[in-house]
Amino acid sequence: QVQLVQSGAEVKKPGASVKVSCKASGYTFINYYMHWVRQAPGQGLEWMGIINPSGGSTTYAQKFQGRLTLSRVPSTSTVYMELSGLRSEDTAVYYCARDIQVVPAVGCPDYWGQGTLVTVSS
Amino acid sequence: EIVMTQTPLSLSVTPGQPASISCKSSQSLLHSDGKSYLYWYLQKPGQSPQLLIYEVSNRFSGVPDRFSGSGSGTDFTLKISRVEAEDVGLYYCMQSIQLPRGFGGGTKVEIK
Repeated sequence: QVQLVQSGAEVKKPGASVKVSCKASGYTFINYYMHWVRQAPGQGLEWMGIINPSGGSTTYAQKFQGRLTLSRVPSTSTVYMELSGLRSEDTAVYYCARDIQVVPAVGCPDYWGQGTLVTVSS
Repeated sequence: EIVMTQTPLSLSVTPGQPASISCKSSQSLLHSDGKSYLYWYLQKPGQSPQLLIYEVSNRFSGVPDRFSGSGSGTDFTLKISRVEAEDVGLYYCMQSIQLPRGFGGGTKVEIK
């Protein structure tokens, strides 16, 4: 069965960076894009970006351009989300989520990770 | 960027009664292949979102048949034929016609 297991909660100071991992299992890793979505406390879902685990190509939401880096290590079936220049507004639960379509098609997520809480506080 | 707008913001439903959520997009989600690309998710309290409906009207694996989706172009609807207690949570629509992807603001469904 498809499983996405994310790394644990993080507490960071303003201006720092955070790197969250998402380890996939139960399917062929390079065949499906991976999305990253975040949810601030009490707020809705916000799409951040997407990575092709095969070639590594990425697309980021305009809001995160310059601060967000998605990467992957195919040999370990792991995708990483790194967000730099953290501010208090980045406090949120961050989710990785596998795309429903097989590469090269891109759809929307079907399976989601458990989420990683990132708290930004001085 | 496509903006997704959901109504209502919240819904209080008696168990066994139907419920309906609307999602409108700022641009058509109709592709040249004839399909519209709209998804629906449910986020139960304290859980990750789960996929309910893909490509407007297709129920995802394991989703009860009381959930149905319809619509085309810019107007879409999620219907629950008979709401159950386990259906409480936040419902989101999402478009997949273009990048960046985007979610609606969410609709909170609670039980009376």
